[in-house]
Amino acid sequence: TQLLEQSPQFLSIQEGENLTVYCNSSSVFSSLQWYRQEPGEGPVLLVTVVTGGEVKKLKRLTFQFGDARKDSSLHITAAQPGDTGLYLCASQIISSGSARQLTFGSGTQLTVLP
Amino acid sequence: NAGVTQTPKFRVLKTGQSMTLLCAQDMNHEYMYWYRQDPGMGLRLIHYSVGEGTTAKGEVPDGYNVSRLKKQNFLLGLESAAPSQTSVYFCASSYRHGGTGDTQYFGPGTRLTVL
Repeated sequence: TQLLEQSPQFLSIQEGENLTVYCNSSSVFSSLQWYRQEPGEGPVLLVTVVTGGEVKKLKRLTFQFGDARKDSSLHITAAQPGDTGLYLCASQIISSGSARQLTFGSGTQLTVLP
Repeated sequence: NAGVTQTPKFRVLKTGQSMTLLCAQDMNHEYMYWYRQDPGMGLRLIHYSVGEGTTAKGEVPDGYNVSRLKKQNFLLGLESAAPSQTSVYFCASSYRHGGTGDTQYFGPGTRLTVL
């Protein structure tokens, strides 16, 4: 099972600030997904990145996949209180012998204060 | 469409008791999953199913059993609950099995406490 390390574990910022959270692994990702989970709800998929160096934008969120496909980042511009939540990265490892399962990181808990 | 629903939302058990968590999806998805989420550990896969009548073990299957008698339902059973099974349980479904670009749709979760 691939281990995904997310940092920071907790992040509290003021509305309007920018932030970046990270997802890293010692293994190569075949694909990397980012989810957001709000209190009392299940995770919701934000984006999937597949190609090394890929950059995807979703309004004020920018997702980047590392060239070597071992890391990814999520940058939020001008954070808003509605961005508050747990941000999870998840990946399927490249291994023909393994069952095709998603492995999740432990998440970054983001709080945006008004 | 209701998406993925889970029953119950909350449950408190005593050690040794048994219970079944029900997951239902109305999206005609082939694949369904059960995860548990614990503080600081993200989501961990318990069991999954690639179709009606099939089940397979995930990362943390011990102490749990599952059944997929109907395509739309996936049941998670605890035969003899232990305090270590206190957690939030999430069910998810997808068209395919966690492949590149596939989306898993999650239910709202069941918060289980075992005393």
